[in-house]
Amino acid sequence: GQQVMQIPQYQHVQEGEDFTTYCNSSTTLSNIQWYKQRPGGHPVFLIQLVKSGEVKKQKRLTFQFGEAKKNSSLHITATQTTDVGTYFCAGLSNAGGTSYGKLTFGQGTILTVHP
Amino acid sequence: NAGVTQTPKFRILKIGQSMTLQCAQDMNHNYMYWYRQDPGMGLKLIYYSVGAGITDKGEVPNGYNVSRSTTEDFPLRLELAAPSQTSVYFCASRSQGPKLFFGSGTQLSVL
Repeated sequence: GQQVMQIPQYQHVQEGEDFTTYCNSSTTLSNIQWYKQRPGGHPVFLIQLVKSGEVKKQKRLTFQFGEAKKNSSLHITATQTTDVGTYFCAGLSNAGGTSYGKLTFGQGTILTVHP
Repeated sequence: NAGVTQTPKFRILKIGQSMTLQCAQDMNHNYMYWYRQDPGMGLKLIYYSVGAGITDKGEVPNGYNVSRSTTEDFPLRLELAAPSQTSVYFCASRSQGPKLFFGSGTQLSVL
């Protein structure tokens, strides 16, 4: 079945440093979503990427979708303590048939920001 | 709107006991999902539903059952609890758009 691998599993940064997490799928994706989960909280939707090579920005966050639609990245510029949490990518398969929105989640990257 | 509401928040079960995790949404979403989250493993899909009366298995359905008698409710049933079912369970819903709305989760321990 479809697998989505996410690295790194953990990342510790000093406040003000940049952070990047990478997501790779074993199959071509129809689209990819990113979620953030604060410690003790639930995942919260950040963004969806659909087009090959797409780049989207949300303030200090930059999201990219690879040309082959098999990989994606999330980059945070100048991290802040409020960025702490786990960041998940979640891919929707491009395989034939109706997917019903069944996402395959990566393992997540746990970000710690030291003040 | 309350969004997606899950109860209980915490539960401890003994091996072999049964329980139902409740999930309700007030957004009139057709699609509802149950995920479990284990440390370092991301979220795994247990069951999903595309509308009232329609359910289907996800990636890890063994040991669980669901029903969807109304649009609002999507309970998850554990019949014979096992230690391997110790996890955090999240219910989620969505409309026709891609955005999943998650409940606050149920932390379940099976001892």
